[in-house]
Amino acid sequence: ILNVEQSPQSLHVQEGDSTNFTCSFPSSNFYALHWYRWETAKSPEALFVMTLNGDEKKKGRISATLNTKEGYSYLYIKGSQPEDSATYLCAFSPDNTDKLIFGTGTRLQVFP
Amino acid sequence: DAGVIQSPRHEVTEMGQEVTLRCKPISGHNSLFWYRQTMMRGLELLIYFNNNVPIDDSGMPEDRFSAKMPNASFSTLKIQPSEPRDSAVYFCATTKVRDTGELFFGEGSRLTVL
Repeated sequence: ILNVEQSPQSLHVQEGDSTNFTCSFPSSNFYALHWYRWETAKSPEALFVMTLNGDEKKKGRISATLNTKEGYSYLYIKGSQPEDSATYLCAFSPDNTDKLIFGTGTRLQVFP
Repeated sequence: DAGVIQSPRHEVTEMGQEVTLRCKPISGHNSLFWYRQTMMRGLELLIYFNNNVPIDDSGMPEDRFSAKMPNASFSTLKIQPSEPRDSAVYFCATTKVRDTGELFFGEGSRLTVL
């Protein structure tokens, strides 16, 4: 069974705080790791797709790192804003399939 | 592009009734996924198709669930007979096969089975 775990389950931070979440995935048969942002009443939207060990990607105040050897990825948000409030999902794609297996997400709430 | 289009957006039905959910992928996307979202399990992969062919249906809960993709622009997920525990939001998502590109999600179909 391929298991993708995210922590913490939820997070409440003050506007301006920086925060980070973790995604753990099987380190064998790795193909790709995705991060999605899911706002309430909307559909998940992709933030990053990472394939190489050591990859770092950045989009504005949000960045992500990848360690395929130990099976984890971090998502960082610098200077959180209320509009960053959403559920952040990671998804793992194993090498031998096209499957994308999602974690249960980290729900972030940023208070003004 | 119109994006991934799902219908209906909401459906309320009674236990035992047949439910059909529909998905139109983004033009040019040849990989289509059906996910179910519940509070307990998050996004569960039910089935996915590459080039209209079902590749992995191991996530389909039981025989009451079936999915088809008769052509590149249409897929259905059918539940017959429906049960209250099938109540969830069902998402369709598409991408290009092995493109390592992101999934594009539809807005989901919220199913309530009474």
